[in-house]
Amino acid sequence: DIQMTQSPSSLSASVGDRITITCQASQDITNYLNWYQQKPGKVPKLLIYDASNLETGVPSRFSGSGSGTDFTFTISSLQPDDIATYYCQQYANLLSFGPGTKVDVK
Amino acid sequence: QVQLLQSGAEVKKPEASVKISCKASGYIFTNYQIHWVRQAPGSGLEWMGIINADGGSTTYAQKFQGRVAMTRDTSTSTVYMELSSLTSDDTAVYYCARGPLLRLSLDYWGRGTLVIVSS
Repeated sequence: DIQMTQSPSSLSASVGDRITITCQASQDITNYLNWYQQKPGKVPKLLIYDASNLETGVPSRFSGSGSGTDFTFTISSLQPDDIATYYCQQYANLLSFGPGTKVDVK
Repeated sequence: QVQLLQSGAEVKKPEASVKISCKASGYIFTNYQIHWVRQAPGSGLEWMGIINADGGSTTYAQKFQGRVAMTRDTSTSTVYMELSSLTSDDTAVYYCARGPLLRLSLDYWGRGTLVIVSS
């Protein structure tokens, strides 16, 4: 099984800040990595697929990069609407999710 | 528009089984796969398995092998997930989610079905 880790587990930042979340896979997953946003009490939403491709309709302040085992997810200018937990998900070998990063606005 | 309509909440006793439905609409049912993902209270997302809506082939996460069964009915565009031998650890919200055939991303999600396992 491929294990996914994320850091930090939570963060608090100000509106307008640039924030970065990292996701690490236990083995090479090339670019088979997606990112999801789950707002409190809501259903998860796909933001980024194949490590760096923005899903249709997702604001351009969200971006992803990386390959192999190390990946990053960035919000270039944090907005109040971005309060959520963010999950990475690999599909190089079946599927598995990272533990999530909870993002809060100061 | 794409919709995945899930069945309602369930309360089950330990050792019982639960069967949840997920009715798809707004797209060609057999052109996609359906995944099942669960989320225990206050916890993260856990992938359970996938069913190809066309041929009906399934792949399950090792954790659930022997205890989960996913089936589909193409005449009603509905997918079913049955989980047996329930314990309190199975208390969770269960989501169905659509995935493209060539990329295992989950692009549309149902609203979730709460399953509570309690004696």
